[in-house]
Amino acid sequence: RKEVEQDPGPFNVPEGATVAFNCTYSNSASQSFFWYRQDCRKEPKLLMSVYSSGNEDGRFTAQLNRASQYISLLIRDSKLSDSATYLCVVEGGGNKLTFGTGTQLKVEL
Amino acid sequence: GAGVSQSPSNKVTEKGKDVELRCDPISGHTALYWYRQSLGQGLEFLIYFQGNSAPDKSGLPSDRFSAERTGGSVSTLTIQRTQQEDSAVYLCASSLEAIALTDTQYFGPGTRLTVL
Repeated sequence: RKEVEQDPGPFNVPEGATVAFNCTYSNSASQSFFWYRQDCRKEPKLLMSVYSSGNEDGRFTAQLNRASQYISLLIRDSKLSDSATYLCVVEGGGNKLTFGTGTQLKVEL
Repeated sequence: GAGVSQSPSNKVTEKGKDVELRCDPISGHTALYWYRQSLGQGLEFLIYFQGNSAPDKSGLPSDRFSAERTGGSVSTLTIQRTQQEDSAVYLCASSLEAIALTDTQYFGPGTRLTVL
């Protein structure tokens, strides 16, 4: 089993739609979780951290389910500019991050 | 302010040659990471430096890979006797400290390495 698993997509959604991605992780001892965004041929950038209680940043909501070892990202009112690959990132111990292969989102007119 | 910079942005080399990739982290950042990203793959951790501590080399795929960080700032990743499977984008990231919970990793634009 991969340390971090994501559905690669692509998710093709119309502008204004709500879309959700899930990610599962294997290390039950992981304490830190993040979503990064990576545009085509660009470097990854932190989108948001994921807290145990769930957290929201504008149109983006992240949730953590420790019991089932998955995290989710919900995007409301999708914009064309949201088109990117979303990387699920989990602390792997020793101050290292383990990156998923990413979920590709395409928002269309 | 200036972000993480990497050079060269692209490198094409022949199988068997050595290559050296450079990373300039954000000034004041004590933690520096090297990753590589192959087509369709996630980011693969290679090595991490934290201040003056011994680096964590646990992700280096073979002894052909080495890295150093001089003066706690600039880092170079060296790949000796390159192989075609080394072709990937090599990304460097830095963070203020190495406490993953609180410190964002800022990535450079990467070096795209192609081994012919």
